[in-house]
Amino acid sequence: EDQVTQSPEALRLQEGESSSLNCSYTVSGLRGLFWYRQDPGKGPEFLFTLYSAGEEKEKERLKATLTKKESFLHITAPKPEDSATYLCAAYYGQNFVFGPGTRLSVLP
Amino acid sequence: NAGVTQTPKFRVLKTGQSMTLLCAQDMNHEYMYWYRQDPGMGLRLIHYSVGEGTTAKGEVPDGYNVSRLKKQNFLLGLESAAPSQTSVYFCASSYLASKPTLRDEQYFGPGTRLTVT
Repeated sequence: EDQVTQSPEALRLQEGESSSLNCSYTVSGLRGLFWYRQDPGKGPEFLFTLYSAGEEKEKERLKATLTKKESFLHITAPKPEDSATYLCAAYYGQNFVFGPGTRLSVLP
Repeated sequence: NAGVTQTPKFRVLKTGQSMTLLCAQDMNHEYMYWYRQDPGMGLRLIHYSVGEGTTAKGEVPDGYNVSRLKKQNFLLGLESAAPSQTSVYFCASSYLASKPTLRDEQYFGPGTRLTVT
């Protein structure tokens, strides 16, 4: 069965404490792996798309990486404004399958 | 550019009532999507459209109908609302281009919170 899972479900970090979020996928014919950020009461906001194993993309304190089975979102020296739910999604065929998300809290 | 807009933002329905959610985008995107988001389950695709006049079923289409009469609009209808349809509904749109022109990220609207009592 095609599915996308994320871990941990929730993560609390101190400001400046780096960590990584995991997105594991089991789909056939992956066309792309997406990362989104979602703030409470708002729609998801696009962060990155990764298309090939080994690909990496960076934006400010965030770096996304991709292997053949999973993707990581690395957060370096996070700030309180990085607190949000981070969603990943696998794109294959005409399908987008989202993971349940990781709820990140960064404490000052 | 307004991006993706959704109306209404909130709605309360009684079981058996009907309603239509409207999604509009001003980015000239070909593809449009309707998702529902429930706690602990992530976003699940209800229906999608790959162009004006076309629609297709997603993961959870039962109880919903859609129409794409104009390229910029995508309507989601509930003919007879049920409490199980209480959720937050998101519309999204995208280009979906093939490699190497990679512009297929989805842009989401702000959501509609629907409660069915």
